[in-house]
Amino acid sequence: EAGVTQFPSHSVIEKGQTVTLRCDPISGHDNLYWYRRVMGKEIKFLLHFVKESKQDESGMPNNRFLAERTGGTYSTLKVQPAELEDSGVYFCASSQGPLGGNSYEQYFGPGTRLTVT
Amino acid sequence: AQTVTQSQPEMSVQEAETVTLSCTYDTSENNYYLFWYKQPPSRQMILVIRQEAYKQQNATENRFSVNFQKAAKSFSLKISDSQLGDTAMYFCAFTLSGAGSYQLTFGKGTKLSVIP
Repeated sequence: EAGVTQFPSHSVIEKGQTVTLRCDPISGHDNLYWYRRVMGKEIKFLLHFVKESKQDESGMPNNRFLAERTGGTYSTLKVQPAELEDSGVYFCASSQGPLGGNSYEQYFGPGTRLTVT
Repeated sequence: AQTVTQSQPEMSVQEAETVTLSCTYDTSENNYYLFWYKQPPSRQMILVIRQEAYKQQNATENRFSVNFQKAAKSFSLKISDSQLGDTAMYFCAFTLSGAGSYQLTFGKGTKLSVIP
């Protein structure tokens, strides 16, 4: 079974440009999460999808970030326009649903390292 | 709001020895889960061990075990017979159980180096 995949693995862009990160969850996982780790700080929750719907987007830092999950499959996270403070590693995770047993266990992708210069 | 604190940014241990990583958390809730995740260099994060707060018995997974002290809000990870492959960043994480997004709250991580 394929794990969570993320593309690209690394992106370097200039301030003011746009970047789109992609996450492919494990097949059959209804829940998809985005997290971010800024250098030296904790991994922070950004948002949670259940299928194609945003369940919780309380962690999104501002309206320069837009997340979508087309047809409840893969998800994209767009940053437009990018700022220096957006640099960090963006993780995607997925889990099964509905809840019960170990369905809350989240499986993580390798992350996308975003560098804004 | 929940918080997770890992007070040891870096640790090292000799191969075959035992090491304990510390984690404390703060919550006013009673039902939750705690996790230790491991991220080896240049690889993705994987779950090492989980603990349900309602369970008094400490979780164990092979060489990994936890010391869960609910009253003290402490959740330390013990790695026995350390191996070179245990070299990684270790993250302690928390999530509330019940209805909700099950979003994880992480500590800053502890970088563990196993020395041959």
